[in-house]
Amino acid sequence: EPEVTQTPSHQVTQMGQEVILRCVPISNHLYFYWYRQILGQKVEFLVSFYNNEISEKSEIFDDQFSVERPDGSNFTLKIRSTKLEDSAMYFCASSEWGETQYFGPGTRLLVL
Amino acid sequence: SQKIEQNSEALNIQEGKTATLTCNYTNYSPAYLQWYRQDPGRGPVFLLLIRENEKEKRKERLKVTFDTTLKQSLFHITASQPADSATYLCALDRQNAGNMLTFGGGTRLMVKP
Repeated sequence: EPEVTQTPSHQVTQMGQEVILRCVPISNHLYFYWYRQILGQKVEFLVSFYNNEISEKSEIFDDQFSVERPDGSNFTLKIRSTKLEDSAMYFCASSEWGETQYFGPGTRLLVL
Repeated sequence: SQKIEQNSEALNIQEGKTATLTCNYTNYSPAYLQWYRQDPGRGPVFLLLIRENEKEKRKERLKVTFDTTLKQSLFHITASQPADSATYLCALDRQNAGNMLTFGGGTRLMVKP
């Protein structure tokens, strides 16, 4: 069964550094998303992406964040200058028609 | 403001019994509601989607109801097994909002053998 994959599984970085989290969505899906989950808290929406542009973003998704679909398979989330409070599990998700979303295993980001 | 509430306390049941989890929401008009399962350190796994015009949906041992008047969904697992132990999340789609899902805090289910 096709799955969303994410790399790396774990990332440790210093505050102020840039990180890029990578995702390979399910191949025939058209809608892509990033969510995050701080330890012990709810899964929170960051951004949705369709037709090569952002369709919705949350208040969390400020100017430090950006997304890109650099080729036909990858979908990336960049955090330009990481802060301590960016430490969380980041989930990529994809959807064929914009309803059911299939999540990847996540990247655990730790900012020191 | 919009709110989604799930029982934050863990639900402990005996193997073979039916587990019933609740999701209540306020200040919301979702087009559909989804239930996901999440195991520790893993991503949410899709279980069921129910639309605003559907009252009930079933899949194997799972059943979901959706009452838009009460603003509530119930999620049932019949003949529960220890392998069903996990956190169950409800998520609502906000209409005309890029298909973003808003998640509840989840209910942790423990099924004892």
